[in-house]
Amino acid sequence: DAGVIQSPRHEVTEMGQEVTLRCKPISGHDYLFWYRQTMMRGLELLIYFNNNVPIDDSGMPEDRFSAKMPNASFSTLKIQPSEPRDSAVYFCASSFGSSLGYTYGYTFGSGTRLTVV
Amino acid sequence: AQSVTQLGSHVSVSEGALVLLRCNYSSSVPPYLFWYVQYPNQGLQLLLKYTTGATLVKGINGFEAEFKKSETSFHLTKPSAHMSDAAEYFCAVSSGGGGADGLTFGKGTHLIIQP
Repeated sequence: DAGVIQSPRHEVTEMGQEVTLRCKPISGHDYLFWYRQTMMRGLELLIYFNNNVPIDDSGMPEDRFSAKMPNASFSTLKIQPSEPRDSAVYFCASSFGSSLGYTYGYTFGSGTRLTVV
Repeated sequence: AQSVTQLGSHVSVSEGALVLLRCNYSSSVPPYLFWYVQYPNQGLQLLLKYTTGATLVKGINGFEAEFKKSETSFHLTKPSAHMSDAAEYFCAVSSGGGGADGLTFGKGTHLIIQP
């Protein structure tokens, strides 16, 4: 198993540009999570999906951020327009859940380091 | 709501000494608890986790942690530190009990190993 795959590993963009981060979860996992890591705020949950449906996006900082999961093997996190304060490492994680509401196999990707200049 | 407090943003130990990283949690439901390690410029690697059952959990690289409900703690230990253990360590609690709502992380503890 290749694990959770994120691309790109590094992204440098200019303020105001659109940025798209990509994630491929582990095959068979039905939960997908997006996290952001900064020095000031640590690791924060942004949004998560279950069976491709967004369940909780309360962690998304503002309307400039959007996330989609068009199918079970792909998700995107988009920032439009980007700002310097969006600079962070963005992690994707996936897991699979039971009918009792528990999840297993929680696995993180290697992250995308975003720098907005 | 769940929360995690990691005592000490930096911990320094000598090589061969005991490693103790402290984690206290707050949860309104029976928690799932996790410890992750992050090496520079890398992702998060799971060290160990507690779900149910035995309260002493053994993980990779010689680490273990004990769930103490009465103390709401999940401290991470390793009997003898190696230079390769130098990294950032994160304690996390599941939101919603089963992990299905995502994880709430502590601020992290940077472990420094002195030769």
